[in-house]
Amino acid sequence: NAGVTQTPKFQVLKTGQSMTLQCAQDMNHNSMYWYRQDPGMGLRLIYYSASEGTTDKGEVPNGYNVSRLNKREFSLRLESAAPSQTSVYFCASRPPGDTGELFFGEGSRLTVL
Amino acid sequence: QKEVEQDPGPLSVPEGAIVSLNCTYSNSAFQYFMWYRQYSRKGPELLMYTYSSGNKEDGRFTAQVDKSSKYISLFIRDSQPSDSATYLCAMDSNYQLIWGAGTKLIIKP
Repeated sequence: NAGVTQTPKFQVLKTGQSMTLQCAQDMNHNSMYWYRQDPGMGLRLIYYSASEGTTDKGEVPNGYNVSRLNKREFSLRLESAAPSQTSVYFCASRPPGDTGELFFGEGSRLTVL
Repeated sequence: QKEVEQDPGPLSVPEGAIVSLNCTYSNSAFQYFMWYRQYSRKGPELLMYTYSSGNKEDGRFTAQVDKSSKYISLFIRDSQPSDSATYLCAMDSNYQLIWGAGTKLIIKP
């Protein structure tokens, strides 16, 4: 049982380049999330998708776009990368119910030069 | 002011000590309170979950919620080197989680 799988695990970009982070979950969860984690800032929500076909902005959406391709997959795109987007990105999924438990991937470490 | 405040540490204690980790918050509407543990270069994983006020115990771990003071705590008894990790508190608001910055805990053998 793979859980939440993110690719790539590491990426170095130059300013202005674009890239897509991929995320897939095999737990049949409806909700999926993209977070970024920076030292001293905790986890900040970029975008989320409550169900297939819907996406909503989180706390820090500027510079990012998302696609909920199907129930399993939720991708995050940086159209024109900036050094301020250097971070660790986590994808997560959440089952229905009130427990609040999120299941996280192992993270994608992005450096923008 | 952040909605959830958490001391980033690091907090370094000897093996076997009792550890107390804390978060304060400002939104009285929060109902669900969680502690996640994150090992280095890994994603967070749920450790403890509490609804409303009170205590919850799971093995060496105890979570406390004091809604009147807007204060939550995680206690670890008989701490082990394997408990060394970053501990993040999180609270539920309108189907989104609001996170503390995380406290880095180091247990010295």
